[in-house]
Amino acid sequence: DVKVTQSSRYLVKRTGEKVFLECVQDMDHENMFWYRQDPGLGLRLIYFSYDVKMKEKGDIPEGYSVSREKKERFSLILESASTNQTSMYLCASSLTRTRGSPLHFGNGTRLTVT
Amino acid sequence: QQQVKQSPQSLIVQKGGISIINCAYENTAFDYFPWYQQFPGKGPALLIAIRPDVSEKKEGRFTISFNKSAKQFSLHIMDSQPGDSATYFCAASLMNYGGSQGNLIFGKGTKLSVKP
Repeated sequence: DVKVTQSSRYLVKRTGEKVFLECVQDMDHENMFWYRQDPGLGLRLIYFSYDVKMKEKGDIPEGYSVSREKKERFSLILESASTNQTSMYLCASSLTRTRGSPLHFGNGTRLTVT
Repeated sequence: QQQVKQSPQSLIVQKGGISIINCAYENTAFDYFPWYQQFPGKGPALLIAIRPDVSEKKEGRFTISFNKSAKQFSLHIMDSQPGDSATYFCAASLMNYGGSQGNLIFGKGTKLSVKP
């Protein structure tokens, strides 16, 4: 079974802090994604990566950056956390660029910015 | 063009009943339509998916019905059980495109509660 592990289940940070959310997948998947999930807004794509050191903006990249130095690890960075970034963050991976390749999600990191 | 509209936002069904969740899309080039199921405290997981060359796909109690001319697809859960209580997301994408064009476009989700 594919396992996507997010390093923290819950995180509380202060406004202005730099925040790192870490995600690791164990199945040699090419593609990795970061989404945020908010009630009534569904899943919104922040950034994605199809290869090591490669990144592309999703629908809501403002205020975020990412890093993919190794194939199995994809990090989401909040350069200066703000209260409107309080949300559930979900990491996902998929095997190939073929769109029929399903997304495998981690269990999420609930981030609260105070 | 890129939206997927999902309804209802929430749904309460009695045990044994049929749950129906509907989605509509705008981009006629979409050719892959998956449904994801998310239990509380967990990430979404692929439940069932359909390509537009068929009008229906069934897996156990779960059926996707697809209407290409109306640009709509729906998830039917037969004999709904309390264990089906979850949030369901429909999605759509372009199967044969790489890059950002091929990413899934998700609906906003439906929270299903099945009462015993």
